[in-house]
Amino acid sequence: DSGVTQTPKHLITATGQRVTLRCSPRSGDLSVYWYQQSLDQGLQFLIQYYNGEERAKGNILERFSAQQFPDLHSELNLSSLELGDSALYFCASSTTSGSFNEQFFGPGTRLTVL
Amino acid sequence: GESVGLHLPTLSVQEGDNSIINCAYSNSASDYFIWYKQESGKGPQFIIDIRSNMDKRQGQRVTVLLNKTVKHLSLQIAATQPGDSAVYFCAENIMDTGRRALTFGSGTRLQVQP
Repeated sequence: DSGVTQTPKHLITATGQRVTLRCSPRSGDLSVYWYQQSLDQGLQFLIQYYNGEERAKGNILERFSAQQFPDLHSELNLSSLELGDSALYFCASSTTSGSFNEQFFGPGTRLTVL
Repeated sequence: GESVGLHLPTLSVQEGDNSIINCAYSNSASDYFIWYKQESGKGPQFIIDIRSNMDKRQGQRVTVLLNKTVKHLSLQIAATQPGDSAVYFCAENIMDTGRRALTFGSGTRLQVQP
C-alpha cells in the first residue's frame, strides 16, 4: 500500500458526461501528479499540483481540469467525455515538487465511457 | 486484476534466471531515467533511477545500464522470482529545463515461469 488513495475505483459513464476523480496524497506529501494510462497511448503525465498551485502541465486536454485543495487532496475533472477517455487514471504524490524517485502512485481509477 | 497494454512485448523467463528488459528512449537531451514496475491492478512502483552522468547503477537485485550513444536503457533483474512478474516501464526526463513531466515507454511484460 503506497499510502495514496483514489476514489472511486471504477467508474462507468456515458459520452458527454462529466466525472470527478479524487485523490488523497500520502500524509505529508505536498505534490500531486495525475497520469492517464490507456491501451493506445500508454502512460501519460497530465498535470501536477504543489501545495495548491499548478506546477506543471503535460498532455492534458482542455476538457480536463484539476485542482488541489487546502487539505492537499486533489480532484481531476473530466467533462464532455468521449469513448477515447476510457482509461486508468493514476494519482501520485511526493514530498517535494520534482522528486520523481520519491513519487508514490495510488491504485488508480478505471474510467469506462460507453 | 486489470490488464493494461494487452499487446505489450513479453519476456518470459524461468524462475532463478536473470532477466534483461530493454528500452529505447527518444530524446537525446534526456538526462534522468527511471524504471517502474506495474503489477496487475496496481499503480506503477519506482524501482531504480539513473542520471546521464552514469552508465550503470545497481540496486537490490536490479541493475540499470545506460548507453547514451545509442539512446538505450536496460534493466537487469538477477535471480528472477515469480513476484517479479509485472509490466516494466522506462521513463525519461530532462532535468535542466525544470521539466517535471516524465515521458514513458510503452512497457514490457515480464512473465516468470516457476
